Amino acid sequence: AQTVTQSQPEMSVQEAETVTLSCTYDTSESDYYLFWYKQPPSRQMILVIRQEAYKQQNATENRFSVNFQKAAKSFSLKISDSQLGDAAMYFCAYTDSWGKLQFGAGTQVVVTP
Amino acid sequence: ETGVTQTPRHLVMGMTNKKSLKCEQHLGHNAMYWYKQSAKKPLELMFVYSLEERVENNSVPSRFSPECPNSSHLFLHLHTLQPEDSALYLCASSQGYEQFFGPGTRLTVL
Repeated sequence: AQTVTQSQPEMSVQEAETVTLSCTYDTSESDYYLFWYKQPPSRQMILVIRQEAYKQQNATENRFSVNFQKAAKSFSLKISDSQLGDAAMYFCAYTDSWGKLQFGAGTQVVVTP
Repeated sequence: ETGVTQTPRHLVMGMTNKKSLKCEQHLGHNAMYWYKQSAKKPLELMFVYSLEERVENNSVPSRFSPECPNSSHLFLHLHTLQPEDSALYLCASSQGYEQFFGPGTRLTVL
């Protein structure tokens, strides 16, 4: 069975600073996708970034980037130049060829002025 | 309308009521999903429909009954719910690996 683990219930960061959220996963598959979703107080689940397991290059989307370590089964998210609008719950998620998306428990990001 | 929409956004019901949640996707996707999000728990996948056929039922109690009449619409029929069923119910759709979520229905069972 696949599992996704987020060990940080909450992370605090000052505006303009950088924060890194950790995620580890367990799988025996070789082909899979990893995602980071953001859920602000509105509860709308928004895709932040995705990584295909077959790609060695780490994905980036503007201020968001990942550090994908396939052998270690690690998938961390870095938020650079943090903004107040980044405050939200962040979920790491995994899916394989079966298309079944599995989520971690989430990390609450608090951004302080 | 664009993306994935859900109605109603909030629902309060008694344990003896029957209600339905509706999800509609305007993305031309071929798969739709229901998730349950309870406080302090990871999102739980409830049902998956692919090409209007149910392909996943994650041991969900029979008081939850899904219906997918076509590839754009997904319903979740509710009856004789329990207070522990109070949660945010999220709908999603996909065409491939990436899922797009609706805004959710906040359900409170009294």
